[in-house]
Amino acid sequence: AQKVTQAQTEISVVEKEDVTLDCVYETRDTTYYLFWYKQPPSGELVFLIRRNSFDEQNEISGRYSWNFQKSTSSFNFTITASQVVDSAVYFCALSVGSWGKFQFGAGTQVVVTP
Amino acid sequence: DTEVTQTPKHLVMGMTNKKSLKCEQHMGHRAMYWYKQKAKKPPELMFVYSYEKLSINESVPSRFSPECPNSSLLNLHLHALQPEDSALYLCASSQSGSNQPQHFGDGTRLSIL
Repeated sequence: AQKVTQAQTEISVVEKEDVTLDCVYETRDTTYYLFWYKQPPSGELVFLIRRNSFDEQNEISGRYSWNFQKSTSSFNFTITASQVVDSAVYFCALSVGSWGKFQFGAGTQVVVTP
Repeated sequence: DTEVTQTPKHLVMGMTNKKSLKCEQHMGHRAMYWYKQKAKKPPELMFVYSYEKLSINESVPSRFSPECPNSSLLNLHLHALQPEDSALYLCASSQSGSNQPQHFGDGTRLSIL
């Protein structure tokens, strides 16, 4: 069975601080895919990044960066110099098999105050 | 703007009503999904359609009835719902395969009186 743990329920920061969101996953499959999504108060889930189990390269996209470590089964996400618009719930998700069935973590609420 | 369009955005209905939620995508995706999301919880998968055929039903009560008329449209027919069915209903689409990101609509906020 697959499992995704996002232990941080809520993180509050002041604008321009960095924020790191933790994601730990469990799966016995050797091929799997990890995703991060952002859900602002308006409701839609916005796709941010995908990583496959064969690619441990870290990635930076603007103020966002991701650290994937298979040795610790973690796929952490950092927002650098946070802004108020970053306030949202962030979900980590795991996908295995052929059907695209996502296992979502519980989500981390990020609150950025001016 | 999202590329997956859901209507209506808000819906209030009584327990004896029949209504439908609609979802449309024009990205050429062949997999479409319905999720239910309660406040402060992650989305829960309800149904998956792959190439217009129902491939996954996560033991959803029969008062929810999905329909995929064509590759661009996905409906969710609602009948005799219960107050606990009040939630945000999200539609998503993707290319087929577990490596594909799902693209979500804005959702329909459903309230059952």
